[in-house]
Amino acid sequence: GAGVSQSPRYKVAKRGQDVALRCDPISGHVSLFWYQQALGQGPEFLTYFQNEAQLDKSGLPSDRFFAERPEGSVSTLKIQRTQQEDSAVYLCASSAPSGRGPDTQYFGPGTRLTVL
Amino acid sequence: GDSVTQMEGPVTLSEEAFLTINCTYTATGYPSLFWYVQYPGEGLQLLLKATKADDKGSNKGFEATYRKETTSFHLEKGSVQVSDSAVYFCALSDRTKAGNNRKLIWGLGTSLAVNP
Repeated sequence: GAGVSQSPRYKVAKRGQDVALRCDPISGHVSLFWYQQALGQGPEFLTYFQNEAQLDKSGLPSDRFFAERPEGSVSTLKIQRTQQEDSAVYLCASSAPSGRGPDTQYFGPGTRLTVL
Repeated sequence: GDSVTQMEGPVTLSEEAFLTINCTYTATGYPSLFWYVQYPGEGLQLLLKATKADDKGSNKGFEATYRKETTSFHLEKGSVQVSDSAVYFCALSDRTKAGNNRKLIWGLGTSLAVNP
């Protein structure tokens, strides 16, 4: 497909379980972002990759959150020992820097995580 | 830090009414400004953007002008349609961030319902 894809679309986890969320960016896009969107809120930045390098992880809420993009394409966001406050929609976006101004970020459909 | 403030919703209008959704921002650098839209059951999509003061972004009949003097980027449409029912997010990206990280900082979103 031509867009950003994310899997799974929905995930239900019991408190304390580990989860892994996958993002397939648009082919060739250098930049990849993860955001967290709580119900009724705007997205909040979590982390940013440029190719395989994680250049900014200042938005990760705790050390239970970990993200990787080992080959500069697919990315995985892992949450260890999930808590109820982790329930949210996790959004992935990719962009292709043009050097001529702001890069449009293209978003995937998100993964809705519910922690029971 | 940088922030975005949007008018609270929900906004309910009749078809063909005039729409304004207010957005103001606070930024220390030279932000680019965006409006994203999220239709029911779909992912975030870029609606329009502006990269510098006095730029006007436009798309699908929507317009917004980057006003540096009032730090605003209000979204307008002259005649809304039922199909415009969605959640609208204002966002900014600061171009001065190190590591080419142009993460988006978001408002809370404004829900729009257009009745026939």
